[in-house]
Amino acid sequence: NAGVTQTPKFRVLKTGQSMTLLCAQDMNHEYMYWYRQDPGMGLRLIHYSVGEGTTAKGEVPDGYNVSRLKKQNFLLGLESAAPSQTSVYFCASSYTKGGGYTFGSGTRLTVV
Amino acid sequence: SQQGEEDPQALSIQEGENATMNCSYKTSINNLQWYRQNSGRGLVHLILIRSNEREKHSGRLRVTLDTSKKSSSLLITASRAADTASYFCATDAMRGTGNQFYFGTGTSLTVIP
Repeated sequence: NAGVTQTPKFRVLKTGQSMTLLCAQDMNHEYMYWYRQDPGMGLRLIHYSVGEGTTAKGEVPDGYNVSRLKKQNFLLGLESAAPSQTSVYFCASSYTKGGGYTFGSGTRLTVV
Repeated sequence: SQQGEEDPQALSIQEGENATMNCSYKTSINNLQWYRQNSGRGLVHLILIRSNEREKHSGRLRVTLDTSKKSSSLLITASRAADTASYFCATDAMRGTGNQFYFGTGTSLTVIP
């Protein structure tokens, strides 16, 4: 089915470990986003990309890095995981700058 | 922050009733969107309203926008148990690149069969 696919769906990390979350979309969308969702905080934008090879910081970028080497993929990296990064991470994409977002189903990350 | 804030935080109604939730924001916007999130799932786009529009309809959904009050409302008519979900508004920026949408903390809607 067309849409946004996130892998993995669940992950437990130890403090200091690293990992990469993968987001893939097959809708030829230019814009891609990484959000984190925490109870009582809503969704907060981590990083976003306006096209292949571009990335930009959002509201809460510290501790995360991203790459968009291919138009369809947007990777979110945690170099040294901290308990404060325990969250549900959502990837989204859109065709236009102000258009509706298509969200993935999320990755639930726990850092112990 | 120009994050939208939804009100109420939680709403419980009987099936068949109408549900109204509100969103307020702080700075001028280009677009405002509403999303639904079922428990444990990703967000689903419901409707987008532009700053020069006052009202939009989509099926049982009606969205209004009052830019003078910096507020929007989402009305779900004839609610169903399947409408049980969290609803979020998202606003973009009129300054800068406008590439970012800021989400509120959501309204949790429970529709009782």
